[in-house]
Amino acid sequence: EADIYQTPRYLVIGTGKKITLECSQTMGHDKMYWYQQDPGMELHLIHYSYGVNSTEKGDLSSESTVSRIRTEHFPLTLESARPSHTSQYLCASSESGRDRGLWGYTFGSGTRLTVV
Amino acid sequence: QKEVEQNSGPLSVPEGAIASLNCTYSDRGSQSFFWYRQYSGKSPELIMFIYSNGDKEDGRFTAQLNKASQYVSLLIRDSQPSDSATYLCAVNRQRTNTGNQFYFGTGTSLTVIP
Repeated sequence: EADIYQTPRYLVIGTGKKITLECSQTMGHDKMYWYQQDPGMELHLIHYSYGVNSTEKGDLSSESTVSRIRTEHFPLTLESARPSHTSQYLCASSESGRDRGLWGYTFGSGTRLTVV
Repeated sequence: QKEVEQNSGPLSVPEGAIASLNCTYSDRGSQSFFWYRQYSGKSPELIMFIYSNGDKEDGRFTAQLNKASQYVSLLIRDSQPSDSATYLCAVNRQRTNTGNQFYFGTGTSLTVIP
C-alpha cells in the first residue's frame, strides 16, 4: 500500500486553466520532490523541499510553483496551463537523517496531465 | 556531459538468462547509487542500492559498483518475463549545503522473452 499519494491520477484540462496537483505522504519524511517525466525520457527535477516553508526550484525550468505549509503535503500549482505542460508529474519523498541517501526515494503513483 | 548515462536499449534477453544493465556517472563525489524499476505507466520503485565498491546481492539481483571507473551495473539472474520494465540508474551526491540530490539516467528498457 502506497504511503505517498498523488491526485488526480489523470487530468485533461483546457489551456489557461489553473490547476493544482496534490501530493501527500504519511511517512513523516522531511524531504519532498516533484519530477516531470515524458514518455521514454529521463526524470527531471522541477521542485524540492527539505522541510516546512522550504522550497527550491530544480534543474528543469518550470512555470509551476509549490508550497510546503505542512510536512505531509506538497502541492504543485500551474497558474495557467499550456499544451507544453502536458507530461507525467511524479512526487517523491525521502527521509532526512538519511543524508547519505542510503534509502532512496519513495515515489507516488504520478499524475498524467494533458492540456488541450 | 550528463550526470548519469545509461544505454537506452532496448535490451532483450531470453527467459532464464542473465540481464546486464550498465550505468556511468560523471561526479566522483557521488555517494550512493540506486537502481529503480519502472513498469510502463507506473512510477519508479527502488529495487537495489549500493554505496561501497564491490558487489551487493539481493535475491536474483546483483548491483556492482566501481568508483574508480565511475561505473555501476545491475545483473538480473534467471530473468523472468515479469522483469520486463525500464530500469533507472540514480546517483546521490552533495548538491547544496542543505542536503543531497539525486540524478537519474534516462533508463534502459528490458524485455525478457518467454
